[in-house]
Amino acid sequence: ILNVEQSPQSLHVQEGDSTNFTCSFPSSNFYALHWYRWETAKSPEALFVMTLNGDEKKKGRISATLNTKEGYSYLYIKGSQPEDSATYLCYMDSNYQLIWGAGTKLIIKP
Amino acid sequence: DAMVIQNPRYQVTQFGKPVTLSCSQTLNHNVMYWYQQKSSQAPKLLFHYYDKDFNNEADTPDNFQSRRPNTSFCFLDIRSPGLGDAAMYLCATSRGGRGRNQPQHFGDGTRLSIL
Repeated sequence: ILNVEQSPQSLHVQEGDSTNFTCSFPSSNFYALHWYRWETAKSPEALFVMTLNGDEKKKGRISATLNTKEGYSYLYIKGSQPEDSATYLCYMDSNYQLIWGAGTKLIIKP
Repeated sequence: DAMVIQNPRYQVTQFGKPVTLSCSQTLNHNVMYWYQQKSSQAPKLLFHYYDKDFNNEADTPDNFQSRRPNTSFCFLDIRSPGLGDAAMYLCATSRGGRGRNQPQHFGDGTRLSIL
């Protein structure tokens, strides 16, 4: 059984601080890695899709990197704002399965 | 706005009483997915449609069925809901092949409670 692990499970960050968290996945049969943001009472929103080892993607203050050889992706948030409070989910698309992590719940403290 | 719409937002049903959740989309995407998510756990893919082709995940219980009468609509039928089926059910769509490098677009979900 393939698993995608996200750490930490939850994170409290002071407004204005930068933060990052991890998505770990099995590196065999890798096709793509997706990041989503899920705010309370809303639907999950796609952030990034990454396919190539060494990929870096950026969207405003949020960026992500990908290492397919060692099986991890980092999501970075620079200068956290209250609106960044959400659960951040990743999923890996392998050649055979589509596997989600349980998410990192980010809470921004004013 | 183009979107994925799930109805109802909250559904309460009795133990063993069949229930149907619905999903519609205006994105004209050819792939539609149903997920089950229980509190603080990873979303679990139940099945997906690639156009009219139905793809069941190996560990999806037989109690869960799906219908896609046309491109826009997809239904999740739970034939005999048990207490363990109480969860958030998410519908998503994407363009192209399953997962792959196209993002999924999600509805707001239906939270199912079993009495």
